[in-house]
Amino acid sequence: DGGITQSPKYLFRKEGQNVTLSCEQNLNHDAMYWYRQDPGQGLRLIYYSQIVNDFQKGDIAEGYSVSREKKESFPLTVTSAQKNPTAFYLCASSVGARNTEAFFGQGTRLTVV
Amino acid sequence: DAKTTQPNSMESNEEEPVHLPCNHSTISGTDYIHWYRQLPSQGPEYVIHGLTSNVNNRMASLAIAEDRKSSTLILHRATLRDAAVYYCIPDNNAGNMLTFGGGTRLMVKP
Repeated sequence: DGGITQSPKYLFRKEGQNVTLSCEQNLNHDAMYWYRQDPGQGLRLIYYSQIVNDFQKGDIAEGYSVSREKKESFPLTVTSAQKNPTAFYLCASSVGARNTEAFFGQGTRLTVV
Repeated sequence: DAKTTQPNSMESNEEEPVHLPCNHSTISGTDYIHWYRQLPSQGPEYVIHGLTSNVNNRMASLAIAEDRKSSTLILHRATLRDAAVYYCIPDNNAGNMLTFGGGTRLMVKP
C-alpha cells in the first residue's frame, strides 16, 4: 500500500541529546514537509523540501535540521539547540503542485525529559 | 497569505447535518480553499478543496460564497467518527505548503 510512514510513534530523550525522526513515503511525491504541533494548537511548518537535495526553512526552523538525499526520505533532527522540543511532529508529502492533496503520517510524539 | 477565521468549537448531534464556516476575506482570485481534518492523536487528512464552484465528494460538500470571502464545509450526516478539528486553509502564496490556523473542534453527541 502507498503511504507515508513516521517512526517511532513515541520517542523519549534526555535533554541535551540530538534525536532524529524518520519519515518515509512510497507515493513518489516530490514535496515533503515537517510540522510541529503543540497541545491544543494548529500545525506549524518547520522545514519543507520541493525536490531531492533541496530544502527550505519554514516558520520555526531554529533548533532543527533536515536532509533530503533520497526522494522517499526526509528525516528531521531535533538538536539540543531547540529550547522546547517536546511536541507532536508530523511529516507530510504531496505531488508538489498547488491545489493537490497532502498526505500526512501518523506523527511522532517526542518527549524530552 | 490569506487569513482565515473559524469558530473555535461547534457541537452537533449524531445523524444531523453540520455546517462548518470559514471566513477568508483576503483570499486572492486564484487561491483554492482546502479543508483538512485531524482526529485525536492522528495526522491531518484531506477532506475537500475548491475554487469557485460548490464541490462534493464522498466525505463532504464545500459551498463557496459567490464573492469567495467565505466557505462552508458541510457534513451531511454527522457520525461520532467525524469528531475532529477541521481546518480551512487557503493556498499559500509562497508555494504549495499548507498553513494551518487553529481550526474548529467539532464535537458530535450521540
